[in-house]
Amino acid sequence: QKEVEQNSGPLSVPEGAIASLNCTYSDRGSQSFFWYRQYSGKSPELIMSIYSNGDKEDGRFTAQLNKASQYVSLLIRDSQPSDSATYLCAVNRRGNNYQLIWGAGTKLIIKP
Amino acid sequence: GAVVSQHPSWVICKSGTSVKIECRSLDFQATTMFWYRQFPKQSLMLMATSNEGSKATYEQGVEKDKFLINHASLTLSTLTVTSAHPEDSSFYICSARGRGANEQYFGPGTRLTVT
Repeated sequence: QKEVEQNSGPLSVPEGAIASLNCTYSDRGSQSFFWYRQYSGKSPELIMSIYSNGDKEDGRFTAQLNKASQYVSLLIRDSQPSDSATYLCAVNRRGNNYQLIWGAGTKLIIKP
Repeated sequence: GAVVSQHPSWVICKSGTSVKIECRSLDFQATTMFWYRQFPKQSLMLMATSNEGSKATYEQGVEKDKFLINHASLTLSTLTVTSAHPEDSSFYICSARGRGANEQYFGPGTRLTVT
Protein backbone atom coordinates (compact mmCIF):
# COMPACT_ATOMS: atom_id res chain seq x y z
CA GLN A 1 0.00 0.00 0.00
CA LYS A 2 1.35 3.41 -0.96
CA GLU A 3 1.64 5.93 1.83
CA VAL A 4 -0.32 8.55 -0.11
CA GLU A 5 -2.64 7.40 -2.86
CA GLN A 6 -4.31 9.34 -5.60
CA ASN A 7 -6.15 8.26 -8.70
CA SER A 8 -3.81 9.12 -11.56
CA GLY A 9 -6.68 10.09 -13.87
CA PRO A 10 -7.06 11.80 -16.16
CA LEU A 11 -10.18 13.25 -14.62
CA SER A 12 -12.20 15.10 -17.22
CA VAL A 13 -14.65 17.75 -16.03
CA PRO A 14 -16.72 20.18 -18.11
CA GLU A 15 -16.04 23.85 -17.71
CA GLY A 16 -18.13 25.40 -14.97
CA ALA A 17 -18.65 22.12 -13.11
CA ILE A 18 -17.18 21.03 -9.78
CA ALA A 19 -13.97 19.01 -9.92
CA SER A 20 -13.46 16.61 -7.04
CA LEU A 21 -9.98 15.27 -6.31
CA ASN A 22 -9.37 12.61 -3.71
CA CYS A 23 -6.42 11.41 -1.67
CA THR A 24 -6.00 8.73 0.98
CA TYR A 25 -3.07 8.30 3.33
CA SER A 26 -1.88 5.41 5.45
CA ASP A 27 -0.33 7.03 8.54
CA ARG A 28 -2.94 7.90 11.18
CA GLY A 29 -0.35 10.07 12.90
CA SER A 30 -0.18 12.57 10.04
CA GLN A 31 -1.10 16.09 11.05
CA SER A 32 -0.54 18.32 8.02
CA PHE A 33 -2.08 17.99 4.58
CA PHE A 34 -1.44 19.95 1.44
CA TRP A 35 -2.69 20.29 -2.10
CA TYR A 36 -0.34 21.49 -4.80
CA ARG A 37 -1.01 22.21 -8.44
CA GLN A 38 1.62 21.43 -11.07
CA TYR A 39 1.35 22.55 -14.66
CA SER A 40 3.22 20.50 -17.24
CA GLY A 41 6.90 21.39 -17.20
CA LYS A 42 6.55 23.66 -14.16
CA SER A 43 7.18 23.28 -10.45
CA PRO A 44 4.42 22.65 -7.88
CA GLU A 45 2.43 25.57 -6.51
CA LEU A 46 0.75 25.44 -3.10
CA ILE A 47 -3.03 25.74 -3.27
CA MET A 48 -4.27 24.74 0.16
CA SER A 49 -3.11 23.47 3.49
CA ILE A 50 -5.43 21.85 6.03
CA TYR A 51 -4.73 20.62 9.53
CA SER A 52 -8.06 19.88 11.21
CA ASN A 53 -11.12 17.85 10.32
CA GLY A 54 -13.74 19.55 8.22
CA ASP A 55 -13.75 21.97 5.33
CA LYS A 56 -11.47 24.85 4.51
CA GLU A 57 -12.44 27.23 1.74
CA ASP A 58 -10.29 29.61 -0.27
CA GLY A 59 -11.98 31.19 -3.26
CA ARG A 60 -13.08 28.47 -5.65
CA PHE A 61 -11.12 25.82 -3.75
CA THR A 62 -12.33 23.79 -0.78
CA ALA A 63 -10.17 21.27 1.02
CA GLN A 64 -11.87 18.59 3.10
CA LEU A 65 -10.18 16.47 5.74
CA ASN A 66 -11.48 13.37 7.49
CA LYS A 67 -8.79 11.93 9.75
CA ALA A 68 -10.95 9.01 10.88
CA SER A 69 -11.23 7.84 7.29
CA GLN A 70 -7.70 9.01 6.44
CA TYR A 71 -9.06 10.93 3.52
CA VAL A 72 -8.44 14.39 2.16
CA SER A 73 -10.09 15.93 -0.88
CA LEU A 74 -9.99 19.08 -2.95
CA LEU A 75 -13.04 20.56 -4.61
CA ILE A 76 -12.73 23.12 -7.37
CA ARG A 77 -15.92 25.05 -8.07
CA ASP A 78 -16.71 26.70 -11.39
CA SER A 79 -13.84 24.83 -13.06
CA GLN A 80 -11.93 26.76 -15.70
CA PRO A 81 -9.68 25.47 -18.50
CA SER A 82 -6.79 27.12 -16.64
CA ASP A 83 -7.39 24.65 -13.80
CA SER A 84 -6.19 21.84 -16.08
CA ALA A 85 -3.07 20.53 -14.36
CA THR A 86 -1.81 17.72 -12.18
CA TYR A 87 -2.88 18.03 -8.55
CA LEU A 88 -0.54 16.63 -5.93
CA CYS A 89 -1.59 15.61 -2.45
CA ALA A 90 1.12 15.76 0.23
CA VAL A 91 1.09 14.61 3.84
CA ASN A 92 3.67 15.27 6.52
CA ARG A 93 6.02 12.43 7.36
CA ARG A 94 5.57 10.92 10.80
CA GLY A 95 8.12 12.17 13.28
CA ASN A 96 9.18 14.91 10.92
CA ASN A 97 6.66 17.67 10.55
CA TYR A 98 8.53 19.29 7.74
CA GLN A 99 9.15 16.48 5.28
CA LEU A 100 6.27 15.59 3.01
CA ILE A 101 5.16 12.32 1.49
CA TRP A 102 3.78 12.89 -1.98
CA GLY A 103 1.03 11.25 -3.92
CA ALA A 104 1.66 10.56 -7.59
CA GLY A 105 -0.87 13.20 -8.59
CA THR A 106 -4.18 13.34 -10.42
CA LYS A 107 -4.27 14.84 -13.88
CA LEU A 108 -7.29 17.10 -14.25
CA ILE A 109 -8.62 18.18 -17.63
CA ILE A 110 -11.27 20.88 -17.83
CA LYS A 111 -13.10 20.69 -21.13
CA PRO A 112 -14.48 23.97 -22.55
CA GLY B 1 5.03 36.55 -0.16
CA ALA B 2 6.90 33.22 0.03
CA VAL B 3 8.83 33.55 -3.20
CA VAL B 4 11.60 31.10 -4.01
CA SER B 5 13.94 31.54 -6.95
CA GLN B 6 16.25 29.08 -8.66
CA HIS B 7 19.16 29.64 -10.96
CA PRO B 8 19.78 28.61 -13.63
CA SER B 9 16.39 27.67 -15.03
CA TRP B 10 18.02 25.30 -17.47
CA VAL B 11 21.53 24.06 -18.09
CA ILE B 12 23.25 21.77 -20.57
CA CYS B 13 26.57 20.30 -19.58
CA LYS B 14 28.95 17.66 -20.81
CA SER B 15 29.33 14.30 -19.12
CA GLY B 16 31.89 14.40 -16.35
CA THR B 17 31.51 18.07 -15.49
CA SER B 18 29.88 19.55 -12.40
CA VAL B 19 26.88 21.81 -12.22
CA LYS B 20 25.78 24.08 -9.39
CA ILE B 21 22.15 25.07 -8.86
CA GLU B 22 21.18 27.90 -6.53
CA CYS B 23 17.97 28.18 -4.56
CA ARG B 24 17.04 31.43 -2.82
CA SER B 25 14.16 32.47 -0.62
CA LEU B 26 13.50 36.07 -1.60
CA ASP B 27 11.11 37.37 1.03
CA PHE B 28 11.44 35.04 3.99
CA GLN B 29 14.07 33.20 5.94
CA ALA B 30 14.17 29.55 4.99
CA THR B 31 15.12 27.49 7.99
CA THR B 32 14.69 24.31 5.95
CA MET B 33 15.22 23.73 2.27
CA PHE B 34 14.40 20.62 0.30
CA TRP B 35 15.79 19.34 -2.97
CA TYR B 36 13.66 17.22 -5.27
CA ARG B 37 14.18 15.52 -8.58
CA GLN B 38 11.42 14.77 -11.03
CA PHE B 39 11.69 12.63 -14.14
CA PRO B 40 9.17 13.07 -16.97
CA LYS B 41 5.66 11.91 -16.07
CA GLN B 42 6.83 10.79 -12.61
CA SER B 43 6.16 12.10 -9.16
CA LEU B 44 8.44 14.26 -7.07
CA MET B 45 11.32 12.43 -5.43
CA LEU B 46 12.84 14.00 -2.33
CA MET B 47 16.62 13.92 -2.54
CA ALA B 48 17.65 15.69 0.62
CA THR B 49 16.63 18.04 3.40
CA SER B 50 18.90 20.78 4.64
CA ASN B 51 18.66 23.04 7.65
CA GLU B 52 20.61 26.28 7.75
CA GLY B 53 24.07 25.73 9.10
CA SER B 54 23.72 21.95 9.28
CA LYS B 55 24.70 19.08 7.05
CA ALA B 56 22.03 17.91 4.68
CA THR B 57 20.10 14.72 5.33
CA TYR B 58 19.95 12.57 2.24
CA GLU B 59 17.20 10.15 1.33
CA GLN B 60 18.04 6.49 0.91
CA GLY B 61 19.65 5.79 -2.42
CA VAL B 62 20.83 9.36 -3.02
CA GLU B 63 24.63 9.63 -3.21
CA LYS B 64 25.73 12.45 -0.95
CA ASP B 65 29.16 12.64 -2.60
CA LYS B 66 27.56 13.11 -5.98
CA PHE B 67 24.87 15.59 -4.96
CA LEU B 68 26.55 18.14 -2.72
CA ILE B 69 24.19 20.37 -0.80
CA ASN B 70 25.17 23.51 1.06
CA HIS B 71 22.75 25.63 3.10
CA ALA B 72 25.07 28.33 4.33
CA SER B 73 22.52 31.05 5.01
CA LEU B 74 18.84 31.45 5.76
CA THR B 75 18.16 32.50 2.18
CA LEU B 76 20.47 30.37 0.06
CA SER B 77 20.99 26.68 -0.59
CA THR B 78 23.02 25.17 -3.41
CA LEU B 79 22.99 21.76 -5.05
CA THR B 80 26.08 20.69 -6.93
CA VAL B 81 25.82 17.70 -9.22
CA THR B 82 29.37 16.40 -9.45
CA SER B 83 30.69 14.39 -12.40
CA ALA B 84 27.32 14.52 -14.08
CA HIS B 85 26.23 11.74 -16.40
CA PRO B 86 23.33 11.50 -18.84
CA GLU B 87 21.26 9.58 -16.30
CA ASP B 88 21.41 12.67 -14.04
CA SER B 89 19.41 14.59 -16.62
CA SER B 90 16.23 15.61 -14.84
CA PHE B 91 14.15 18.45 -13.47
CA TYR B 92 15.63 19.59 -10.14
CA ILE B 93 13.36 21.59 -7.87
CA CYS B 94 14.03 23.17 -4.51
CA SER B 95 11.49 24.15 -1.91
CA ALA B 96 11.79 26.17 1.25
CA ARG B 97 10.03 26.36 4.58
CA GLY B 98 10.02 29.39 6.85
CA ARG B 99 10.52 29.34 10.60
CA GLY B 100 7.49 27.92 12.38
CA ALA B 101 5.69 27.17 9.12
CA ASN B 102 4.62 23.82 7.72
CA GLU B 103 4.10 24.85 4.12
CA GLN B 104 6.79 24.35 1.51
CA TYR B 105 7.15 26.86 -1.31
CA PHE B 106 8.80 25.75 -4.50
CA GLY B 107 11.29 27.39 -6.78
CA PRO B 108 10.62 27.29 -10.53
CA GLY B 109 12.99 24.37 -11.05
CA THR B 110 16.14 23.74 -13.04
CA ARG B 111 16.12 21.49 -16.07
CA LEU B 112 19.48 19.73 -16.36
CA THR B 113 20.56 17.99 -19.55
CA VAL B 114 23.83 16.09 -19.55
CA THR B 115 25.21 15.24 -22.97
